[in-house]
Formats: sequence, C-alpha cells, structure tokens
Amino acid sequence: AQRVTQPEKLLSVFKGAPVELKCNYSYSGSPELFWYVQYSRQRLQLLLRHISRESIKGFTADLNKGETSFHLKKPFAQEEDSAMYYCALRAGAGSYQLTFGKGTKLSVIP
Amino acid sequence: IAGITQAPTSQILAAGRRMTLRCTQDMRHNAMYWYRQDLGLGLRLIHYSNTAGTTGKGEVPDGYSVSRANTDDFPLTLASAVPSQTSVYFCASSEIAGGQETQYFGPGTRLLVL
Repeated sequence: AQRVTQPEKLLSVFKGAPVELKCNYSYSGSPELFWYVQYSRQRLQLLLRHISRESIKGFTADLNKGETSFHLKKPFAQEEDSAMYYCALRAGAGSYQLTFGKGTKLSVIP
Repeated sequence: IAGITQAPTSQILAAGRRMTLRCTQDMRHNAMYWYRQDLGLGLRLIHYSNTAGTTGKGEVPDGYSVSRANTDDFPLTLASAVPSQTSVYFCASSEIAGGQETQYFGPGTRLLVL
C-alpha cells in the first residue's frame, strides 16, 4: 500500500525567506505526485503535479525517485502563501484514488 | 457553472441519528469521492465511485455508506452517527484530460456529533 509522509505539521518562515515543504512517499510502482493547497476558508485546490513540471505561484516541486521525495519549494515566501499544503499520491494509470499526507500548515510572518 | 456543491454547510447532530450529506457536480465527471478532514490526520478517503452505478471503500469506510444512482450525485449517509464522526467532510470529483487526472473539491460540510 502507498503512503505519503509530511514530517512537518507547521512551518513558519519570514516573508522573503525560502520555503521548502517536505514530502516523502512509499510506493513500489511509478506514482503520480501532487501538491494541493487549502487557503483559509476556501476549498482544497490543485497547486501542481509532477508530470507537468510547472511553476505555479512561484512554487516548484521535483520528483526524486531515488529519495522518494516530492518537496515543494519557493525561493521567496509571500504572506499570501500562508495556507495548508497537502502532498498526494496517485498509484499510477488506472487508479483514480489519491492518498494524502497529513498536511503542513505554512505560516508566513510579515 | 457551479462545479461541486455540498449541503448542508454545517450541521450539529445528536448521536444515533441518521444523516445524509449531499454532493452534486455539474461537470459530468465520472469519478467522485468522499473524504474526511481531521486535524493532524489530513484527508482520508471514505468511499469513492469510479462511475455511476459503482462504489468502493476507501481507507475509513466504517459507519458510512454511499450510492451513485447517476453521474451528478454522490450522497454520503451516516446510518447512526457517533461523536468520532465529528469532522469536515469534502466531496470531490475528477476528470482525466490529456492523460492527467485532476480532482476538484467541494466547499465541505462541517459536522458535529454530540
């Protein structure tokens, strides 16, 4: 069975400082990895996926199969980045289900 | 286009009572899901449906049932609520486009079982 681990429940950084939200996974096959974000009083929404190799709102994430990690990074944190971030895994083609990590609350201090 | 709607927004329920949480999507997505979100535990899948007429159990299905009579609706029923079912419940649906799947979430239902 697959598992997603986000070791930090809470991460506080100052505005302008770099941000790294950690995500590690365990899965024997080739997974798809995602980052979802939930801003205060809003619904959960997709931030980015590893397949697209895109940068959204300044965030990037690289899938490292050797380390089984998919850390989310941003060089300069902004106050509007404060939110709950969830890493999620889909067990490859043919599987609809996502397995979520427990989430990391990012707080950007002005 | 509304996307995914959930009802009610919030509810206080006496233990032992029956409750149905409603979820409707207008995007014609095949797959739908129910999650519960609890502090420190993240989102856990309760039940899912890959297509109308089929359902499956997720990680924490006990005490919950679902049905999928049509594409748009995916109600979640608590037959006899217990306090441990106090949570925020999110419905989601997903599409696969260009080989990539995206899940879209509803606004959530806050449920307090006393």
